[in-house]
Amino acid sequence: DQQVKQNSPSLSVQEGRISILNCDYTNSMFDYFLWYKKYPAEGPTFLISISSIKDKNEDGRFTVFLNKSAKHLSLHIVPSQPGDSAVYFCAAIYSGGGADGLTFGKGTHLIIQP
Amino acid sequence: DAEITQSPRHKITETGRQVTLACHQTWNHNNMFWYRQDLGHGLRLIHYSYGVHDTNKGEVSDGYSVSRSNTEDLPLTLESAASSQTSVYFCASSESPRDSGNTIYFGEGSWLTVV
Repeated sequence: DQQVKQNSPSLSVQEGRISILNCDYTNSMFDYFLWYKKYPAEGPTFLISISSIKDKNEDGRFTVFLNKSAKHLSLHIVPSQPGDSAVYFCAAIYSGGGADGLTFGKGTHLIIQP
Repeated sequence: DAEITQSPRHKITETGRQVTLACHQTWNHNNMFWYRQDLGHGLRLIHYSYGVHDTNKGEVSDGYSVSRSNTEDLPLTLESAASSQTSVYFCASSESPRDSGNTIYFGEGSWLTVV
């Protein structure tokens, strides 16, 4: 049973427009959520996170929104740039547990078109 | 700069052979992890360690083993490689057992093909 779901395997967005990547989770124990970015032939790198006590976190062009009642989070990238083309993984964890509890979604391949 | 390195980056092996993937980190992190990434599955945890001589099974540990004899290294061994173990393997490390994930550092990956 998949506890973190990214239902869009791929997303194509024009350069300069907004990219919105979605993620749903089922485990109510999760209280910390993260987005990782992965380029081909490289390991994932941390992008942005949000605690369940917040509903929004911004870092430059990246904003993550959390809707706890819907068990849904989204990553907004504004404006989208060619270098944003990558696979984005949503991840969730119960912060009272160990780091081994980090659970990943399947990833969304974002393609920024010129 | 501190880093985490994996070797080999690419390997082709035959079914039934024993294979070891190396992982070395220079951050002096206590926590180390091995994940595999497969199309349609995202990243799945194979084994992890919270310190020297500590090893634990993850979600997909069957057919794999790890050992932790020092802080820097967590080698992953496939005892008898199977075609189902063809995958990309990522090693990762982090600072504290209560880490919430944002300071997990991943290696660049090891591509393993079992024929």
